Amino acid sequence: GENVEQHPSTLSVQEGDSAVIKCTYSDSASNYFPWYKQELGKGPQLIIDIRSNVGEKKDQRIAVTLNKTAKHFSLHITETQPEDSAVYFCAATRGRRDDKIIFGKGTRLHILP
Amino acid sequence: EPEVTQTPSHQVTQMGQEVILRCVPISNHLYFYWYRQILGQKVEFLVSFYNNEISEKSEIFDDQFSVERPDGSNFTLKIRSTKLEDSAMYFCASSGEKLFFGSGTQLSVL
Repeated sequence: GENVEQHPSTLSVQEGDSAVIKCTYSDSASNYFPWYKQELGKGPQLIIDIRSNVGEKKDQRIAVTLNKTAKHFSLHITETQPEDSAVYFCAATRGRRDDKIIFGKGTRLHILP
Repeated sequence: EPEVTQTPSHQVTQMGQEVILRCVPISNHLYFYWYRQILGQKVEFLVSFYNNEISEKSEIFDDQFSVERPDGSNFTLKIRSTKLEDSAMYFCASSGEKLFFGSGTQLSVL
């Protein structure tokens, strides 16, 4: 089955700097890669996603890149702000509506003042 | 914005007791899921449900677990005889085009 590895487990960046979180996946049939942000005491919130027919997608300060050949995908947050502090999970799935999503172990992002 | 709602937010129970966790998925979604997250760990898939039957279940989802959609709006997870290791945050999720999660039920088994 699918296995998603995520690095780093903890990341601290100065406010205003960029943060990058990297993930790899094992199942070459995976073709949908969502990213979730989880704040304390809340459920994971979808923040951005990318499908395998696209190499990059951007939404304001957040961007995702996908290298399907290498089975790598990354989340980039620019101009970080205090409210970006949270745990971020990458995930992978084959993209069928009834398919389970496999999550990485998460990255705890701290934005330092 | 439509959201997945879960009740209760916290549930404390004694080992061996039955618990039912409740969820109201987003109204036009057809696919429903339960995931769980043990403190500090990743979110793990438990079960998916479509067309009034289980589509897929993980190894965690043993005979002590069951799911039901008793009416047109609710989706429930039942744990028949809780164990200490069932203590976790349980998330309900539903999908149309994309997967959305509820805020979770924190289950504590004493």
